Amino acid sequence: AQSVAQPEDQVNVAEGNPLTVKCTYSVSGNPYLFWYVQYPNRGLQFLLKYITGDNLVKGSYGFEAEFNKSQTSFHLKKPSALVSDSALYFCAVSRASGDYKLSFGAGTTVTVRA
Amino acid sequence: EAGVTQSPTHLIKTRGQQATLRCSPISGHTSVYWYQQALGLGLQFLLWYDEGEERNRGNFPPRFSGRQFPNYSSELNVNALELEDSALYLCASSPYFHYEQYFGPGTRLTVT
Repeated sequence: AQSVAQPEDQVNVAEGNPLTVKCTYSVSGNPYLFWYVQYPNRGLQFLLKYITGDNLVKGSYGFEAEFNKSQTSFHLKKPSALVSDSALYFCAVSRASGDYKLSFGAGTTVTVRA
Repeated sequence: EAGVTQSPTHLIKTRGQQATLRCSPISGHTSVYWYQQALGLGLQFLLWYDEGEERNRGNFPPRFSGRQFPNYSSELNVNALELEDSALYLCASSPYFHYEQYFGPGTRLTVT
């Protein structure tokens, strides 16, 4: 079985401050990890992925994520948040053995205040 | 490059009826995935199709079914609709043996 936990339902930050959205995962074997963002009444947009290699992954719109195998975490970060980053963020995991099924966390609502 | 498209945008059905949702993947993508995003239940994997075959299925009853056509587009059918089937149904596509999935805007199904 595979699962993802996003421990914070909501994250509130001021514009210009660092943004962190937390994610921990559970999967048998090596994980493939993803972050997606969803704006109201829209589908999910892919932000970044970790498959293998460097633990620090850079993605779209200035986001990055750090893979930590010992802590089974994949936290999403942005050095300087924008009001337009306000959205619902999902972490997802799939097994490296390739059934390609994504298991999503419950989501974290990010609000960036001006 | 056109993204994943889904139709209809909204669908209103009565309990007991059948619903058909459609998805067109990104050109060149052979895999299509279906997810249900229901209020309070989050995003749940429904079905995965590749090269016309069902490759994997989530924990949903058999009244959720689908198919993939030779042009890789896909259809999700939900029979004997129940009130709790009301949700946003998201379709995603990827090339086979590729990792990230690209999502469409979804179909909002409302069962009354």
